[in-house]
Amino acid sequence: DAKTTQPPSMDCAEGRAANLPCNHSTISGNEYVYWYRQIHSQGPQYIIHGLKNNETNEMASLIITEDRKSSTLILPHATLRDTAVYYCIVRVGYGNKLVFGAGTILRVKS
Amino acid sequence: EPEVTQTPSHQVTQMGQEVILRCVPISNHLYFYWYRQILGQKVEFLVSFYNNEISEKSEIFDDQFSVERPDGSNFTLKIRSTKLEDSAMYFCASNAGENQPQHFGDGTRLSIL
Repeated sequence: DAKTTQPPSMDCAEGRAANLPCNHSTISGNEYVYWYRQIHSQGPQYIIHGLKNNETNEMASLIITEDRKSSTLILPHATLRDTAVYYCIVRVGYGNKLVFGAGTILRVKS
Repeated sequence: EPEVTQTPSHQVTQMGQEVILRCVPISNHLYFYWYRQILGQKVEFLVSFYNNEISEKSEIFDDQFSVERPDGSNFTLKIRSTKLEDSAMYFCASNAGENQPQHFGDGTRLSIL
């Protein structure tokens, strides 16, 4: 699986958009980009995933660059409850393991 | 929304004892996983399970560990003889198949004394 690089931490004001970057310059053509988050010690929560097109769901948007070497997770209106560790993971799209890095600690502040 | 459920939420066990952690994956899912997270560290993959057999396991998943799907709903992780370093949060996950996201339970906190 390709390695990802994320900033260790970010701050965001409540109500503003949170933009979390991820670099995955060695991604292969059949590897998907997945985003998860972990609030305190709860189980990782799936947010969104994509292959090459931008994706949007009720939680977030995922913007993948045309060369697929980086992506950005966007939380359009961050709330205090979005404070968590966010993980960007790339993996081949069949039922195999997720490899978690250290992620980005997002702190949403009022 | 269907979810993965894990029991117990907290398990305290004496070193050397056997422990079984239980998971009920989402009902139509076909792939099952166990991960663990030692306090303050990354989430680590332990094992994946498909079609009633292990499909992949990590170096952590040694002979002391085993998994089983004893019936159509439960998925269990057994640690035969627990060690202090087995203390961690253990997360179960499942997914429906290729290109589908894994969904995690809220974990079992295992404390070995």
